[in-house]
Amino acid sequence: AQSVTQLDSHVSVSEGTPVLLRCNYSSSYSPSLFWYVQHPNKGLQLLLKYTSAATLVKGINGFEAEFKKSETSFHLTKPSAHMSDAAEYFCVVTLVTGTDKLIFGTGTRLQVFP
Amino acid sequence: GAVVSQHPSRVICKSGTSVKIECRSLDFQATTMFWYRQFPKQSLMLMATSNEGSKATYEQGVEKDKFLINHASLTLSTLTVTSAHPEDSSFYICSATHGTGGTFFGQGTRLTVV
Repeated sequence: AQSVTQLDSHVSVSEGTPVLLRCNYSSSYSPSLFWYVQHPNKGLQLLLKYTSAATLVKGINGFEAEFKKSETSFHLTKPSAHMSDAAEYFCVVTLVTGTDKLIFGTGTRLQVFP
Repeated sequence: GAVVSQHPSRVICKSGTSVKIECRSLDFQATTMFWYRQFPKQSLMLMATSNEGSKATYEQGVEKDKFLINHASLTLSTLTVTSAHPEDSSFYICSATHGTGGTFFGQGTRLTVV
């Protein structure tokens, strides 16, 4: 069965410093992995996705994530945080290949201080 | 990119009444749509898979008679919360899968039952 674990419920960084949001997955199949961002009372926006192509995936707004099969990880990073990055971030794995049912992690709330 | 529109964005209703939430794929046809529920400060939980022209598939623990799903066309799925109670208050989000494989989310609906 597929599952995803976000190791930190809250992350706080200063503006201009690097961001690291951690995600580990469990999957019986070759997974597709995603990172979504949700701003308060808003829907979800796709940041990036991994679908068995390049292991380093670049997304929008300067975010990127690296798929590491040996570590079963898909951590999200950004070199320099911006105030507008403050939001909830979800790591997501597909439930079963081809069905598009998504399993969400519990989310990580990113705070950015000036 | 593909657009999924969800309406209304906010709704307040009295206990015992029913509320209908619409999810439309504006520029593509979606044979499958998904409905999620998000409790405050928690992750998204899949409620059901909505299939055009057939009955929805509900996740374990989701009351079929409470949450009625109708996928009458390739661009519209509706979720009706019947006989709503305060515990049904939540943030409901739909998603639709594009033919290219991407998943797009609606803006979400905040339901408050008073």
